[in-house]
Amino acid sequence: GDQVEQSPSALSLHEGTGSALRCNFTTTMRAVQWFQQNSRGSLINLFYLASGTKENGRLKSTFNSKESYSTLHIRDAQLEDSGTYFCAAERYGSSGNKLIFGIGTLLSVKP
Amino acid sequence: EAAVTQSPRSKVAVTGGKVTLSCHQTNNHDYMYWYRQDTGHGLRLIHYSYVADSTEKGDIPDGYKASRPSQENFSLILELASLSQTAVYFCASRKGGLNYAEQFFGPGTRLTVL
Repeated sequence: GDQVEQSPSALSLHEGTGSALRCNFTTTMRAVQWFQQNSRGSLINLFYLASGTKENGRLKSTFNSKESYSTLHIRDAQLEDSGTYFCAAERYGSSGNKLIFGIGTLLSVKP
Repeated sequence: EAAVTQSPRSKVAVTGGKVTLSCHQTNNHDYMYWYRQDTGHGLRLIHYSYVADSTEKGDIPDGYKASRPSQENFSLILELASLSQTAVYFCASRKGGLNYAEQFFGPGTRLTVL
């Protein structure tokens, strides 16, 4: 079954506003990565977390392995933040440090 | 900065034909991966490799082979391409020997099988 449940599937924001994306995990994960897929299709690394919270500019991410979730907060959204955001997690006990991806959140930032 | 390149960037293949997708990394990473992305979905793992001359099956290996002739190069081979293999394929690399390390992705190869 699905191990990474990502929500919402789509999100529309006006410039300057913010919101949160969330991933829930149905099994214990050891680490999570967040990516932005831009209009050209490239995957841009945003965060890698084994625990706790990281912040980079207008983005902040938290990973709580014990409670099986991760969040990505976007504040003061800009037009260039538009794209699809993916979380991907490494499951404990899996070989190869393989990533299991969520289905993505399509973010549209409007003027 | 990590560097993973893929070739070709796009390809049109005929059903039943052989397709080889190539990936090259200059990160000096031990681990390499092949994922596919179908329209409107996340990525799924096809094959991966810990070290040169060795490959492992991922979650969806059927219809694909992989080859890792050197640390830098990792190929994905479709011996008999099928319509269902139309997708975007991503290669990634990761530093080995660490419990925690992020994966770095290439730009993707768009494959269309007709």
